[in-house]
Amino acid sequence: QKEVEQDPGPLSVPEGAIVSLNCTYSNSAFQYFMWYRQYSRKGPELLMYTYSSGNKEDGRFTAQVDKSSKYISLFIRDSQPSDSATYLCAMSVDSNYQLIWGAGTKLIIKP
Amino acid sequence: DGGITQSPKYLFRKEGQNVTLSCEQNLNHDAMYWYRQDPGQGLRLIYYSQIVNDFQKGDIAEGYSVSREKKESFPLTVTSAQKNPTAFYLCASSTQASNQPQHFGDGTRLSIL
Repeated sequence: QKEVEQDPGPLSVPEGAIVSLNCTYSNSAFQYFMWYRQYSRKGPELLMYTYSSGNKEDGRFTAQVDKSSKYISLFIRDSQPSDSATYLCAMSVDSNYQLIWGAGTKLIIKP
Repeated sequence: DGGITQSPKYLFRKEGQNVTLSCEQNLNHDAMYWYRQDPGQGLRLIYYSQIVNDFQKGDIAEGYSVSREKKESFPLTVTSAQKNPTAFYLCASSTQASNQPQHFGDGTRLSIL
């Protein structure tokens, strides 16, 4: 079993829909949780960074961490075709040196 | 603009050849990292360096080597000992503070001729 599980997709939704992307993990010691967006042939760019449990909102993006269920989510409201990309979750125990990555979910927003 | 520059964007390696991937950052970050990305897999850490003249092996260091002679630069050499080098290689950097995330370059795609 991988430490971090993420459905590879692709997840295809119509423009304007609310998108829910998820990762599950097995290590209860994880405290730092990140979501990155990666366009084709580009490096990942940080979208959201959260510490411990709770929600964090930034524009159309909301990150949610449920440590009791070992489950994190990224919600995208009013999805746009430009949101089409691969979304990677990453997490760590106590620093950013040893991030554990999900395999990424490919998201397609249809105009 | 501050950022991380990786070069070349595409690289081809012949059998038995060593190749070096360049990574330069002007973010004044202390820590730098090399990852390998394969289809359907998460990023895997090859090497990382927290300060100049020091680096540690990651999960898949075999067949790779690095140096960190300058704060701005962290080149990765893919040696002939790496039997399956075809992948997308990503360089990242971060500050030393544990609550700061990693920033990435745009990668180098390495293929075998």
